[in-house]
Amino acid sequence: DIVMTQSPDSLAVSLGERATINCKSSQSVLYSSNNKNCVTWYQQKVGQPPRLLIYWASTRESGVPDRFSGSGSGTDFTLTISSLQAEDVAVYYCQQCYSSPFTFGGGTKVEIK
Amino acid sequence: EVQLVESGGGLVQPGGSLRLSCAASGFTFTSYWMHWVRQVPGKGLVWVSRIKSDGSNTNHADSVKGRFTISRDNAKNTLYLQMNSLRAEDTAVYYCARDRGWNVLDFWGQGTLVTVSS
Repeated sequence: DIVMTQSPDSLAVSLGERATINCKSSQSVLYSSNNKNCVTWYQQKVGQPPRLLIYWASTRESGVPDRFSGSGSGTDFTLTISSLQAEDVAVYYCQQCYSSPFTFGGGTKVEIK
Repeated sequence: EVQLVESGGGLVQPGGSLRLSCAASGFTFTSYWMHWVRQVPGKGLVWVSRIKSDGSNTNHADSVKGRFTISRDNAKNTLYLQMNSLRAEDTAVYYCARDRGWNVLDFWGQGTLVTVSS
């Protein structure tokens, strides 16, 4: 199974500042057929189901604010919130979509400092 | 509007069975693979199962293999999760989610809570 390791477990960032979340896969999740990394990022607010933010490691889902961006290659991936807003308080999860079981990272809780 | 509504959760004794349902609407159900994901309250997300659009192919996490079965009724636009031999560690909120392709889960239901306890 592919293990997805997220860091940090939690972080507190001032409003308007940058938040960076890391996700490391235990093996490559690169699809050779399209040369894309199969990593997805989700946001989960308290009491709500997860919401799709980023897919193919860096493609923003429709309707997601452009302060959210994804990057990375190989086995190291990053979700960046460029200017943290109050409504971004949530837990963020990465997931590999490369092979079953489609494992999630442990989550990163983002709070306001 | 895409809607996924789970039902069937509740309290069940260890060793018991439960069938979860996920009613889908607002999209062409027969065109999409579907997944179940669970979450112990206050903990992280855990992928459980996946089923192909026509029901001909399924995958399950090792932790539920042989005990849980994912299925679907495309005539009723409904996804199911049959859970047998339930254990305390199966206690969680169970979400159904639509797979837009390449196992990217673009819509999620609100979840249904399953509690396994005597």
